[in-house]
Amino acid sequence: NAGVTQTPKFQVLKTGQSMTLQCAQDMNHEYMSWYRQDPGMGLRLIHYSVGAGITDQGEVPNGYNVSRSTTEDFPLRLLSAAPSQTSVYFCASRRTETGEQYFGPGTRLTVT
Amino acid sequence: DAKTTQPPSMDCAEGRAANLPCNHSTISGNEYVYWYRQIHSQGPQYIIHGLKNNETNEMASLIITEDRKSSTLILPHATLRDTAVYYCIVKGGYQKVTFGIGTKLQVIP
Repeated sequence: NAGVTQTPKFQVLKTGQSMTLQCAQDMNHEYMSWYRQDPGMGLRLIHYSVGAGITDQGEVPNGYNVSRSTTEDFPLRLLSAAPSQTSVYFCASRRTETGEQYFGPGTRLTVT
Repeated sequence: DAKTTQPPSMDCAEGRAANLPCNHSTISGNEYVYWYRQIHSQGPQYIIHGLKNNETNEMASLIITEDRKSSTLILPHATLRDTAVYYCIVKGGYQKVTFGIGTKLQVIP
């Protein structure tokens, strides 16, 4: 049971480039979400999904797209990277019965 | 989500109990209290949760007041590895979860 996995661990982009952060879970959780964490701050919710085919916006969705074609995968797309998107990105999945979330190790993104 | 309030930082001597408070005065009847911690730059880790009864697991104990407006996370014998940021979250059902700044716990040798 790998839990929640994220790739890549580190990424450097130039302004204007696009990329996809991958997230996968093997716990058959319906609910998945993406957060970003900036230095000295808490986690801010970007997008979330309550099941395959269903996504919704969180606190800071601008500049990011998501889709959920399978229960296992929840990729986050940066459409045109900006320096303000330099951050650590965490993916999480949530156990339906009891509500606790499990987080991936994070992706550290730098946009120059 | 109901709003929670936590002190920004706390210190605890190694080997002593760490008691981390959380206020959630607007909690609804169907909302649970969850605690997570984040060690350095790792992903947050689930610790414990409860509705109205006190809960205990291998990591910690959770004490919820009778009116459910506040709770305390107790780490019975804090170690240096417990140094982390601790987040108190209130959530019910399919509510989306947002995290505040949490409490930075420093365990002192």
